[in-house]
Amino acid sequence: GAVVSQHPSRVICKSGTSVKIECRSLDFQATTMFWYRQFPKQSLMLMATSNEGSKATYEQGVEKDKFLINHASLTLSTLTVTSAHPEDSSFYICSARLAGGIKLQETQYFGPGTRLLVL
Amino acid sequence: QKEVEQDPGPLSVPEGAIVSLNCTYSNSAFQYFMWYRQYSRKGPELLMYTYSSGNKEDGRFTAQVDKSSKYISLFIRDSQPSDSATYLCAMSTVDSSYKLIFGSGTRLLVRP
Repeated sequence: GAVVSQHPSRVICKSGTSVKIECRSLDFQATTMFWYRQFPKQSLMLMATSNEGSKATYEQGVEKDKFLINHASLTLSTLTVTSAHPEDSSFYICSARLAGGIKLQETQYFGPGTRLLVL
Repeated sequence: QKEVEQDPGPLSVPEGAIVSLNCTYSNSAFQYFMWYRQYSRKGPELLMYTYSSGNKEDGRFTAQVDKSSKYISLFIRDSQPSDSATYLCAMSTVDSSYKLIFGSGTRLLVRP
């Protein structure tokens, strides 16, 4: 099956610093990647949709200046949490859509997630 | 009111039991219904996918959708300790099929 990786798997940072999380599709090309956030015992919440070569589309309530997304290639998307604060501590998960996939639900593959802790 | 409601559990069953996991939803426009399995500290893995109403079976797993009641279920037969995980339901509309609305997940523990 298609594999999506994320790096780092866990990061601890000080308040006010920026953190970059990478999402890679290892064995397929992904025209679209999605970034989710999951708080403990809560649902995955879609933050933004990123398409290769264009600006990301953010969901309502997600600050685009705080969560910078870059999708520079068909296999890599990055999420940068700028000026992180303790309330940004969460589990960030990306997913990638197989290029040419017809049924999204069968062709969206999730990464293992990145746990961010802001002190 | 959340769009998708799911009992968080935990649900503890003995090995070999039949497990029933459920979600209710409020948006009648949902047409795609998915079940994901998520192990601790891992990303979700797609288990079952159903379009509109009806049943779908895959090995030990059966997914049911009752749109009239806005209720979906996942049944696991002959449950195994390796099935211990959090099970998330997710739904989407035809117009926004990329946008998955997730339930909060039910934690399942299958005891040997």
